[in-house]
Amino acid sequence: QSALTQPASVSEYPGQSITISCTGTASDVGGYNYVSWYQQHPGKAPKLMIYDVTKRPSGVSNRFSASKSGNTASLTISGLQAEDEADYYCSSYTISDTSNWVFGGGTKLTVL
Amino acid sequence: QITLKESGPTLVKPTQTLTLTCTFSGFSLTTTGVGVGWIRQPPGKALEWLGIIYWNGDNRYSTSLKSRLTITMDTSKNQVVLTVTNVDPLDTGTYFCAHRPAPYYTLDYWGQGTLVTVSS
Repeated sequence: QSALTQPASVSEYPGQSITISCTGTASDVGGYNYVSWYQQHPGKAPKLMIYDVTKRPSGVSNRFSASKSGNTASLTISGLQAEDEADYYCSSYTISDTSNWVFGGGTKLTVL
Repeated sequence: QITLKESGPTLVKPTQTLTLTCTFSGFSLTTTGVGVGWIRQPPGKALEWLGIIYWNGDNRYSTSLKSRLTITMDTSKNQVVLTVTNVDPLDTGTYFCAHRPAPYYTLDYWGQGTLVTVSS
């Protein structure tokens, strides 16, 4: 099972915007509109932020948006706040694994 | 309100079988399309998908672990059970269960996780 590729870390100043990428293949990210993004603070369970590539669950700030182009999905966080500092994981439906699910390797976001 | 909670041993010896239970409320695992997934996270590392059981009893397991995993459900008790055979120290980590809403390929509610250490 190959994880989706994410940058290990990103950093930006409060109030700025940042984009986290998630690169897969045509067997997962590129082939299906089933990309999700999760936020995880230390010691906590992941929280769903985006599903079906671009949809935000109720209660998630509209500072979080997402998109997809080809085999790469992206999560953008605008107006960065200290509370956004966390690990972010993408996931996708896949036909390359018998589970049909795959996660990215995670990205540590630091708000400077 | 959907809630899930994992329970089981905190320490398991190598070669033994690990059994974890996910007890949930706020939804029924008999509802078409619904599923409960298992995910684990080694200390300081990324999330790793393990497998899922769907409302109809269908299972999907990670390719790399499927020979060692079994997921079952007891709808009368609102529980899903994960079994991992022949554990190794590399199986150490926090194990999460999560709700898969129909008809989406996502996990919208997660349990708090339970830390399992494999050591002699």
